[in-house]
Amino acid sequence: QVQLQESGPGLVKPSETLSLTCTVSGGSISSYYWSWIRQPPGKGLEWIGYIYYSGSTNYNPSLRSRVTISVDTSKNQFSLKLSSVTAADTAVYYCARHRGIYDSSGYYDDAFDIWGQGTMVTVSS
Amino acid sequence: AIRMTQSPSSFSASTGDRVTITCRASEGISSYLAWYQQKPGKAPKLLIYAASTLQSRVPSRFSGSGSGTDFTLTISCLQSEDFATYYCQQYSTYPRTFGQGTKVEIK
Repeated sequence: QVQLQESGPGLVKPSETLSLTCTVSGGSISSYYWSWIRQPPGKGLEWIGYIYYSGSTNYNPSLRSRVTISVDTSKNQFSLKLSSVTAADTAVYYCARHRGIYDSSGYYDDAFDIWGQGTMVTVSS
Repeated sequence: AIRMTQSPSSFSASTGDRVTITCRASEGISSYLAWYQQKPGKAPKLLIYAASTLQSRVPSRFSGSGSGTDFTLTISCLQSEDFATYYCQQYSTYPRTFGQGTKVEIK
């Protein structure tokens, strides 16, 4: 059973770079899309961006200038870097898998079917 | 970006009730819609994709319908474990966007 686990510092200073890693266990990182999603305390979900196992990426325009997502297939990991952080970046950060495939009934499935438990990142001096 | 609007934002219900949550997209998204359930302190859990396809191992009391811009999530007989916040999400275009959430509370 595929599981995802986020890791990284829980506290980041303003103007610095937030760095998180998601480790995929129980399956291969290949052939799927892998996203980062965040949720500020008490608020809704915001998609940050994805990386395909081949390395292609797509970022939310609202964060594009500050976001980099990378993949290391040899370690079955993908990572998020968010630069120039402010208090507004304080959130629980989730990694998630999406398949981007047509299921056996012909329906397109690109929903986030597997999620990590999430990691709280606070931006504060 | 496509805006997803859920209604209501919250409501109270009793165990055994039939409940419906609505999600409206700011433009047509065909059937590229998913529903998630989130409990406090936990990651969201996928319930439905392609607007009406039940994810594996999700109870059949959950159902989804709709296409284009208007969608609904129905829980046919609310159970105690269903009190949670529900989100819709479109995957028609990038950036992927979520509704603001609907919190189902115990009456």
